[in-house]
Amino acid sequence: DAKTTQPTSMDCAEGRAANLPCNHSTISGNEYVYWYRQIHSQGPQYIIHGLKNNETNEMASLIITEDRKSSTLILPHATLRDTAVYYCIANPQSGSRLTFGEGTQLTVNP
Amino acid sequence: GAVVSQHPSRVICKSGTSVKIECRSLDFQATTMFWYRQFPKKSLMLMATSNEGSKATYEQGVEKDKFLINHASLTLSTLTVTSAHPEDSSFYICSAGGFGNTIYFGEGSWLTVV
Repeated sequence: DAKTTQPTSMDCAEGRAANLPCNHSTISGNEYVYWYRQIHSQGPQYIIHGLKNNETNEMASLIITEDRKSSTLILPHATLRDTAVYYCIANPQSGSRLTFGEGTQLTVNP
Repeated sequence: GAVVSQHPSRVICKSGTSVKIECRSLDFQATTMFWYRQFPKKSLMLMATSNEGSKATYEQGVEKDKFLINHASLTLSTLTVTSAHPEDSSFYICSAGGFGNTIYFGEGSWLTVV
């Protein structure tokens, strides 16, 4: 699995968009970019994943650069409940062995 | 969406005893499940891959005789921590592949060994 790099922590004001970056410069052609988040004392929650096209669902949007070396997870209107550690993972879709890095601690402030 | 459930969510056991944690896929079949361990303020660490009908595959450094994994059906995997010690106290999490190959995680199980 390709290694991903994320900032250790980020802050965001409630109601504003939260943009979480991820670098995956060594990603291979068959690897998808997955995003999960973990709220304290809970199991990770799936957010979104994509290969090369931008993706959007009810939770977030995923913007992947054309060269696929980086991506950004966008929470359009952050709430206090979005405070969590966000993990970006590069993984082949057919493989389910996810390797977690340290992630980004997002803190949404009132 | 797919749901993975763990039980118990919290358990306290005495040192030297064994404790079993269950992981169930509630609305899909999973031939493979994964077990992770997470210490406070640390990331998830993969312990082993649970394979339905065959032996589990353990990550380097994980004692297979201490962490027994059984995957007897397509919807249930169990992790048994044998002869538990205080250093085994941790947050144990399982995962399984669901629809569209998306991986879903259980709620996690807190183990405290006293």
